[in-house]
This record gives sequence, C-alpha cells and structure tokens, in this order.
Amino acid sequence: GNSVTQMEGPVTLSEEAFLTINCTYTATGYPSLFWYVQYPGEGLQLLLKATKADDKGSNKGFEATYRKETTSFHLEKGSVQVSDSAVYFCALSDRVGFQGAQKLVFGQGTRLTINP
Amino acid sequence: NAGVTQTPKFRVLKTGQSMTLLCAQDMNHEYMYWYRQDPGMGLRLIHYSVGEGTTAKGEVPDGYNVSRLKKQNFLLGLESAAPSQTSVYFCASQVGLSGRSNTEAFFGQGTRLTVV
Repeated sequence: GNSVTQMEGPVTLSEEAFLTINCTYTATGYPSLFWYVQYPGEGLQLLLKATKADDKGSNKGFEATYRKETTSFHLEKGSVQVSDSAVYFCALSDRVGFQGAQKLVFGQGTRLTINP
Repeated sequence: NAGVTQTPKFRVLKTGQSMTLLCAQDMNHEYMYWYRQDPGMGLRLIHYSVGEGTTAKGEVPDGYNVSRLKKQNFLLGLESAAPSQTSVYFCASQVGLSGRSNTEAFFGQGTRLTVV
C-alpha cells in the first residue's frame, strides 16, 4: 500500500539555522502531498501542500517541492525561529473505500526543537 | 470559529470500561475521520464516514465502533477498553468532493486516553 517515510528525529537546531526534513513516499498514481504541523498541546494544522509533480507548496517561510522522479517532498526553511518548534508530519492522500473518500497516510513525524 | 471540537480532552479508564469520544464540526463537512496517534507511528486511521448515517473501517478498527447519526457529529466508542488503546485520538473533517485529493483536513485538538 501507499506509505510515507520521514527523516527520524528529534532534530535540534539553533535559531536562524537552515532546516531540511526529508520525506519520501511510495504510492500508486499521483497523490497529493502535504506537510502538517502540530504545536505542543494542539491538533494538526496544514502547513503546505502540492497536488502534482513539480508543484511547490509554501507557507510561513517553509517550502516543499513535489519531486516525482525521486518520490520526495522534503520540507525546507532558510532561517528557523524558536516559534517553529513543533512536530512535523509528511502525508499523502490515498483513496479509501467508496464514494471518493480520501484518507491521509502519515509519516511517523519529526520533532523539531529550535534553541535561541 | 470553532472548527473541529473533541470532548473530552483527557480521560483515564480502567481495563474493561467503556467510553465514547465525541467529535463535532461546524463547517458542514461531509467527511469525518478518527485517527490514533502513537509514538513513532504517525497517525493511523481507525474509522471514517462519508456522510450522515454511513461509516466504514480504516486501518486499525478492531476494538472501536463509530456512529454518525448527525452530519456534524462523529462518535468513537470503546466498548471494553484495553491498555493497547492508550493513545491520543484525533478527529478530522474534510469537505466532501468526490475524487478531489487536495482538500485540507481540519483536525481537533485531540483526546489523550490512558487505559490502566
């Protein structure tokens, strides 16, 4: 079945460092790809998405490009802040059952801590 | 501006007890989902619903039941809790556009359940 593999954490960086969190996927067809972020004590929030090959999703200084040839969707940010400390999940959409329902298949999550 | 609301936020159960987790959304979404989040495993789909009165099994449905009697509510039941069901449970909703894979899922804040 479809699956997502994320770079293992935890990741600890200093403020203003460059961030990369690797994500690769296995899928039949061309699913949409997502990055969700979970801040402490909260639910998941959509950070960015890409729906087809070579699309670049971006939000809050984060970027990720849908690379079909390498089946990857790596998350990057040029200069991280303490407020970026959170758990980041890579996910793909996968059809389930009937009537077009889509489920999200998640990677295991990467805990990011930014030190001042 | 409630979005997706889960109750309760925390609960401790004894083995064999039963309980119901409630998820309510005010966005008129067709699709609703229950996930569980366990360390190092990302989120896994328990059950889902594509509309009022319809439910279906996800990846890890054993030990859980669900009901969707009203469009805005999706209930997750544990009939006889087991320690293996200790987890954080997330509800999500999504606008129902059959075949569309790029619509955002909105998540509740989670319910932390401990079974002793």
